[in-house]
Amino acid sequence: GENVEQHPSTLSVQEGDSAVIKCTYSDSASNYFPWYKQELGKRPQLIIDIRSNVGEKKDQRIAVTLNKTAKHFSLHITETQPEDSAVYFCAASGTGGFKTIFGAGTRLFVKA
Amino acid sequence: NAGVTQTPKFQVLKTGQSMTLQCAQDMNHEYMSWYRQDPGMGLRLIHYSVGAGITDQGEVPNGYNVSRSTTEDFPLRLLSAAPSQTSVYFCASSGLAGRYNEQFFGPGTRLTVL
Repeated sequence: GENVEQHPSTLSVQEGDSAVIKCTYSDSASNYFPWYKQELGKRPQLIIDIRSNVGEKKDQRIAVTLNKTAKHFSLHITETQPEDSAVYFCAASGTGGFKTIFGAGTRLFVKA
Repeated sequence: NAGVTQTPKFQVLKTGQSMTLQCAQDMNHEYMSWYRQDPGMGLRLIHYSVGAGITDQGEVPNGYNVSRSTTEDFPLRLLSAAPSQTSVYFCASSGLAGRYNEQFFGPGTRLTVL
């Protein structure tokens, strides 16, 4: 089955710096890769996603890149702000978004 | 729309007890799933359903049963609770099968098994 590895487990940056979180997946049939943000005590919420026919997607300060050959994808947050502090999860799934498998999460601290 | 709702919010069980975690959604979503969240291990898929009457196992299905008799409801049953099932449980739903859709999560149920 699918396995998703996520690094680093903890990331601390200064406000205004960039943050990068990397994930690898094992199932070459996976073709949908969402990213979720979870604030303390709250439910995960989708922040951006990318499909396998796209190499990069950007939404304001957030971007995601996908390398299907190497089976890895990354989340980039630019100009980080204290409110970006949260746990971020990458995930991978196959056709239709079924059976979404999550990485272990990255706890991001943005220091003011 | 209430979105995805879960009950109860908190539950304490003794080893060997059974219980059902409730999950409902009012968005007419076909796909529903259950995850457990443990520190340092992210969200692990327990069971999922692509429509009424159809369920399948995820990564960690042992000790849990599910059924899907209606589109709206997807209960998770623990037949004989064990301390290893202490966790936060999230239910999620997403739109039409066969499309790539955002999963909407419920608020979670914090379960402690003594």
